[in-house]
Amino acid sequence: AQTVTQSQPEMSVQEAETVTLSCTYDTSENNYYLFWYKQPPSRQMILVIRQEAYKQQNATENRFSVNFQKAAKSFSLKISDSQLGDTAMYFCAFRGNSGYALNFGKGTSLLVTP
Amino acid sequence: SAVISQKPSRDICQRGTSLTIQCQVDSQVTMMFWYRQQPGQSLTLIATANQGSEATYESGFVIDKFPISRPNLTFSTLTVSNMSPEDSSIYLCSVRTGKGETQYFGPGTRLLVL
Repeated sequence: AQTVTQSQPEMSVQEAETVTLSCTYDTSENNYYLFWYKQPPSRQMILVIRQEAYKQQNATENRFSVNFQKAAKSFSLKISDSQLGDTAMYFCAFRGNSGYALNFGKGTSLLVTP
Repeated sequence: SAVISQKPSRDICQRGTSLTIQCQVDSQVTMMFWYRQQPGQSLTLIATANQGSEATYESGFVIDKFPISRPNLTFSTLTVSNMSPEDSSIYLCSVRTGKGETQYFGPGTRLLVL
């Protein structure tokens, strides 16, 4: 079974600074998908960024980028120029190529302070 | 992307009763998923619901407790039966669609069982 580990339960960052959230996973598959989801307080889960394992290039979405290290099974999320609205729980998720649903990590609670 | 709505958005129920949660998607999707998110926790998959077939339940979840219907490609229901306080959670509907088969989430149903 695939497992997803987020070793940072809580993090904080000052507005306009950069923060990196860690995620590692365990799988024997070669092709798979990785995701970062954001869940603001009492609000909907939304997709931040996704990465296909067969792509060597790291995904980027505006201020959000990933550092995907396939050999190390590491998938960290970097948030640049942090904004107050980035305050949320961030979940790393894995889906195998042959699987149907997502395996989630336990989440990292990010607080952006003024 | 997919636009997903859920009803009710929240409810407070008495133990021993049942609640049916509705999930509506704005496009036809093959795969729908139901997740549970207990307070302060990550998401756990309850079951996968494909139109025209029986739902597939994950370990620890049974059909008698969480019956699911999937009458068409845009709608599903999850019933939480014979509720106890341990069922107090957020229940999320999710679909997989679009580019790269990304998974999208509904706003969730917040359930409190007294």
